Amino acid sequence: AQKVTQAQTEISVVEKEDVTLDCVYETRDTTYYLFWYKQPPSGELVFLIRRNSFDEQNEISGRYSWNFQKSTSSFNFTITASQVVDSAVYFCALLFTGNQFYFGTGTSLTVIP
Amino acid sequence: GAGVSQSPSNKVTEKGKDVELRCDPISGHTALYWYRQSLGQGLEFLIYFQGNSAPDKSGLPSDRFSAERTGGSVSTLTIQRTQQEDSAVYLCASSFYSYNSPLHFGNGTRLTVT
Repeated sequence: AQKVTQAQTEISVVEKEDVTLDCVYETRDTTYYLFWYKQPPSGELVFLIRRNSFDEQNEISGRYSWNFQKSTSSFNFTITASQVVDSAVYFCALLFTGNQFYFGTGTSLTVIP
Repeated sequence: GAGVSQSPSNKVTEKGKDVELRCDPISGHTALYWYRQSLGQGLEFLIYFQGNSAPDKSGLPSDRFSAERTGGSVSTLTIQRTQQEDSAVYLCASSFYSYNSPLHFGNGTRLTVT
């Protein structure tokens, strides 16, 4: 079965703190893709990153970084020096060869000024 | 360029009425998805269209829900005899081809059934 788990429902941090959003997935496929999306209060989901199952190299983009570990089936997302504009709901998603995206239930992040 | 466009942005309807939600995907995108997001919940898959292939309707919650995609472009999601539990935000997304391509989402239609 394909499944994505985001165990953290809500997280609050004070501005400039680092925060890590967890994502654990289940799939029997050897080829799959993992995604992170951001949904700000305005509502539109914004694509952040895509990783394929054969590339475990971690990625950094500005204050954002992603840690993909196949051994633990995790694809965690870290925001460094958080800002108020980072407040949003963040979704992790899994795409496998069935052409269907499986989304986690999301983590609501609040950054307090 | 233009993103995924959904209309209406808000819809209030009485229980038992039919509603139609429209999605205009990004030009050239062959894959189109409908999702439903209830208040504070994740995204629930409803239906997926890919080119001229038969749609994947496995996520439609009941036979009151149907969707079509005309000419491989615009899609309409129809809910017949609406119920209060149908109240949610209905999101449409498109991509060039679903395998490994990210989805681009519209702003959604907020449906309220009174």
